[in-house]
Amino acid sequence: EAAVTQSPRNKVTVTGGNVTLSCRQTNSHNYMYWYRQDTGHGLRLIHYSYGAGNLQIGDVPDGYKATRTTQEDFFLLLELASPSQTSLYFCASSLGLGVNQDTQYFGPGTRLLVL
Amino acid sequence: QQKVQQSPESLTVSEGAMASLNCTFSDGTSNNFRWYRQHSAKGLEVLVSIFSDGEKEEGRFTAHLNRANLHVSLHIREPQPSDSAVYLCAVSMKGNYKYVFGAGTRLKVIA
Repeated sequence: EAAVTQSPRNKVTVTGGNVTLSCRQTNSHNYMYWYRQDTGHGLRLIHYSYGAGNLQIGDVPDGYKATRTTQEDFFLLLELASPSQTSLYFCASSLGLGVNQDTQYFGPGTRLLVL
Repeated sequence: QQKVQQSPESLTVSEGAMASLNCTFSDGTSNNFRWYRQHSAKGLEVLVSIFSDGEKEEGRFTAHLNRANLHVSLHIREPQPSDSAVYLCAVSMKGNYKYVFGAGTRLKVIA
C-alpha cells in the first residue's frame, strides 16, 4: 500500500499569511494531487502533477500555487491566505492512469485555520 | 459536469446488522467507481473498486453498480463499532485522473 505523509498536521495562520503544506510519497508514484475537503462539498481537486516539474490545474485552483520538486515531494502554497481557505487538505498519489494504476492513496490530511 | 450525491447523510446501525449506503451520479459514461472510508482526523482508505455492472466483494464490503440507474451502493456485512466513519463515493472515467467525490455518509455502529 502507498505511503503518503503530510506536514504539518495542523496549522493556524492569519489573513494574508504565507503557508506551505508539504506532501511526500515513497512508492514511486507518478501522479500526485492536492484536495480540499469542506462540509457538504466532499473533496475538491486543487492541483495535480504527473511528474517532477509538472503542474496541472484542478477544479478549485484560485488562491493556490503548487510545486512538484521531485517525484516524491509535492507542495501546496497559499501566498496570501484568506479565511475561505480554512479547510482540511489532503494529498494523494497514484501510480498512473492505466487499469489498476489509477487508485489514489491519501495522506492523513492537514487541518488549516486562517484567522 | 458530473454530480455525485450520497444518501443518507448519516446512518446508525446496530453491530452485526447490514449497513447500506447509496451513491448516485449524473454522467452515464462513468466507468470507474470507488468507495473510501475516512476515520475521524485520518486519511481516506480505499475499500472497494468496481468497473462494471454487478457486484464486487472485498471482505465484508460489497459494492453494487447499476450504470443504467446511475447508482452504486456499498453494503457492509456484520458492521462493527470500528467501522464507524465517513464513507465517500468517488466516480471517474478509466484512464482519467479526475475523481468526483460525494459529500459522504457518516456511519455510526452501536454495540
